[in-house]
This record gives sequence, C-alpha cells and structure tokens, in this order.
Amino acid sequence: GAGVSQSPSNKVTEKGKDVELRCDPISGHTALYWYRQRLGQGLEFLIYFQGNSAPDKSGLPSDRFSAERTGESVSTLTIQRTQQEDSAVYLCASSLWGTGVAEAFFGQGTRLTVV
Amino acid sequence: EDQVTQSPEALRLQEGESSSLNCSYTVSGLRGLFWYRQDPGKGPEFLFTLYSAGEEKEKERLKATLTKKESFLHITAPKPEDSATYLCAVETDSNYQLIWGAGTKLIIKP
Repeated sequence: GAGVSQSPSNKVTEKGKDVELRCDPISGHTALYWYRQRLGQGLEFLIYFQGNSAPDKSGLPSDRFSAERTGESVSTLTIQRTQQEDSAVYLCASSLWGTGVAEAFFGQGTRLTVV
Repeated sequence: EDQVTQSPEALRLQEGESSSLNCSYTVSGLRGLFWYRQDPGKGPEFLFTLYSAGEEKEKERLKATLTKKESFLHITAPKPEDSATYLCAVETDSNYQLIWGAGTKLIIKP
C-alpha cells in the first residue's frame, strides 16, 4: 500500500482479555517499530524489527507484551491479560534503514481502551 | 540520562502571529534531531531532520534550527491549518531508538 496501515483503529477491551494489534508496513521497508503513546506524553519505544535479524525487545514494558514479524511483512503486537494502564495509542512505523538516522513513516495508530 | 523536553505544552496564536516552539535536549552524542507534526487521530508525520549545530531547514511557513542544546521550530504567519501537535525526537550515538518529547499543541485561531 501507499502508507503504513494499522488495524483496528479503535479497540475497547475488558481488563484481563488479550488483544492483538496489526501493522502493515510500507512495501520494501526493512525496519518496523512499535511505539506506545499515552495521553499527553511522548512516544515510548516498544520493539524494533530489522529484516530477519533478532528483534530489539528492550522497550517492552512487561512479559505480557509480545510482537512478531515474518520477514519484511506484517507485524502483530499482542498484549495479554490487559490492564487499565495499557490504555494508549499504539503506533507502528516503518523505514528503509534499520539503524542510523532515517525518516520513519507512521501509521494512524490503534487506540486501545481497557475498561 | 538522555532527555528531550518540549515547551510550551500548548500555544494559542492568532492567524498571522509568528512564534517559536522549543525542543531542548540533554543527550550523550546527538546523531540527529527530528521534527514531526501529529494531527488528532493520526500518526506523526515527518517534517525535518537536523544533524549539526547551525543547521537550518525550511518548509513553507516552518523553519527548524539547531544549536548544541536545543532546537527551535519557527512558524511564520501561521494559518489555522497549521494547528497540530508538533513532536521533537532525537537519535543518539548510544541509542538508535528515538527519544521523544511530549510535544507542543499548537492552536491557530482564525
């Protein structure tokens, strides 16, 4: 597609349920990032994929969070046993270069609300 | 600890009233500083990258400048469509992941 696509746009879930968020990066982009954006706060790095290399998971806040990506295609971010503090906008971005200075292109985000 | 701070948190201007947004940073070795625009319900949209002190970039009514401690995003004669949240982020020598500021919400009143 022309840009980074995320689904769903909005997700309301009950506390304790699992959720899965999807990201379709720009075709040909080797790098893919997941960020969390809480209201009124800066973006918080979660996880980074670069091609077939081992992902950088250093930003994942707990073992309830996990993400997968097959090659240079779709990625899914899974949050298990959701908590209210998980409520945020989850943003995905992709870029041509994995490391180094690069222009990341962002999706519109998935707004997750845990009730 | 690497840190990025943006000010003010919010800025309301009349159409045509020029002003500046600030992004100050304390990092161990700057590789690049990025400015993004974020509209409600959308992801950040890339505006500029600055690499070294003294560098300037311009795009329409926006001009970004960089010193060794901070960056300014100058907006000249803004229009209502410039209303958005402007985010600043830095990449450092020791951490290729971007460190983000909380943003400045800019509102331009007609």
